[in-house]
Amino acid sequence: KNEVEQSPQNLTAQEGEFITINCSYSVGISALHWLQQHPGGGIVSLFMLSSGKKKHGRLIATINIQEKHSSLHITASHPRDSAVYICAAQAGGDKIIFGKGTRLHILP
Amino acid sequence: DAGVIQSPRHEVTEMGQEVTLRCKPISGHNSLFWYRQTMMRGLELLIYFNNNVPIDDSGMPEDRFSAKMPNASFSTLKIQPSEPRDSAVYFCASSLSAGGNTIYFGEGSWLTVV
Repeated sequence: KNEVEQSPQNLTAQEGEFITINCSYSVGISALHWLQQHPGGGIVSLFMLSSGKKKHGRLIATINIQEKHSSLHITASHPRDSAVYICAAQAGGDKIIFGKGTRLHILP
Repeated sequence: DAGVIQSPRHEVTEMGQEVTLRCKPISGHNSLFWYRQTMMRGLELLIYFNNNVPIDDSGMPEDRFSAKMPNASFSTLKIQPSEPRDSAVYFCASSLSAGGNTIYFGEGSWLTVV
C-alpha cells in the first residue's frame, strides 16, 4: 500500500463544476503539499499546509491531521484548470512522499 | 529571483554514455532535492541535500547514479553509464529547510536514452 493515496486517479468534469480531489496518507507529516503539473511538465506548488484550511482564488485546500486526510477543491472550474494535481506528504525532515497524481480534465 | 534553474532542458543520449544534469537552486534556499518522474512510477525522490550535505539518498536507484552539491548554488546528478530505463524527467527543487516550507521546482530535464 502506498503511503500517500490519491483519488480519483482521473477526473473529467464540465466547466463550472465544483471539483474535489482527495489525499490520504499513512505517515506522520510536518506538512502536506498540493502541486499542479500542466501538460508542458512544469510543477507549481499550490499549497503547503499543516493544519486547517487555505484558500487561494478558486482553490481551497483542507487537512484533517487526526484522520490523515487532505482535500483540494476547485470552485467554478475552468478548462485552464486541466492538469495533474499531486499530493505530497512531507515526512521527517525534508523527505517528501508523492501520491500518483489526479489527472483533471475540464471540458468547455 | 529566476527560480530553480536546470540544464539541459532536453537531452537525448546513447546507452552507455555519461549524463550530467545540473541545477541552480533559489538563492538562500538550503535544501535541494532531485526527483525523477516516469509514467509508470510517478514522481520519486532520488536524493536531497541540506546545507550541501546529502541527507537521504535511499531513492537513488543504483550505483550508476551519483549526486553532488559542491556549494550552495550548484548541484549535479550524474548517470554513468546511462541505460534506456533511465529515460525520464528529472526535476530539481529547492526550499528553505527545517520542514514545512514551500518547495520550488525547476522546469525539469527531459532525458531520453536510446
